[in-house]
Amino acid sequence: QVQLVESGGGVVQPGTSLSLTCAASGFSFNYYGMHWVRQAPGQGLEWVAVAPYDTSVQFYSDSVKGRFTISRDNSKNTLYLHMSGLRPEDTAVYYCAKDRQKKGAGTPGFWGQGTLVTVSS
Amino acid sequence: DIQMTQSPSTLSASVGDRVTITCRASQSISSWLAWYQQKPGKAPKLLIYKASSLESGVPSRFSGSGSGTEFTLTISSLQPDDFATYYCQQYNSQGTFGQGTKVEIK
Repeated sequence: QVQLVESGGGVVQPGTSLSLTCAASGFSFNYYGMHWVRQAPGQGLEWVAVAPYDTSVQFYSDSVKGRFTISRDNSKNTLYLHMSGLRPEDTAVYYCAKDRQKKGAGTPGFWGQGTLVTVSS
Repeated sequence: DIQMTQSPSTLSASVGDRVTITCRASQSISSWLAWYQQKPGKAPKLLIYKASSLESGVPSRFSGSGSGTEFTLTISSLQPDDFATYYCQQYNSQGTFGQGTKVEIK
């Protein structure tokens, strides 16, 4: 069955960097776009970034553009999110999600359980 | 940026009620809209994609409609398992979620 397991969350200070990892299994990873979506404590969902299946151009929300980098290693079935210049407002649960459609990059269809990132001094 | 506005923010309803949630886009997104359900402490679950297509395994009491800038999610007969928060998401340009609608027990 499809599994997405996020890791790498933790408590970090403002201005520092952190990398998240999402290990995927149970599907053909190299055929699906992969998303990061976050949710601040008690708040709604915020789409962060998407890496299309073919490692072509990535897309970002305006709130993280220039600070976050999404990447993927299709040989390892793994998605990454490198976050730099972290701010307190980046505090959230970060979800990795598989696009619902093969070769799609629009709709997060299956989600992992998330990893919590806390940015605080 | 495309903004998504959901209404209402909270909805009180009883089991068996017909429930409708509205989502408006700040510009036309054609039919590039999805609906999700989220329960406390859990990851969101995809219900509807492309405005009106039911995701596999989702009960038929859920339906979606609309195009352009105005969309609705309807639950035809609310069940105990449906009390949750619902989000719309546009994917015409990047991806933007609405602020959510909490469906609570009346």
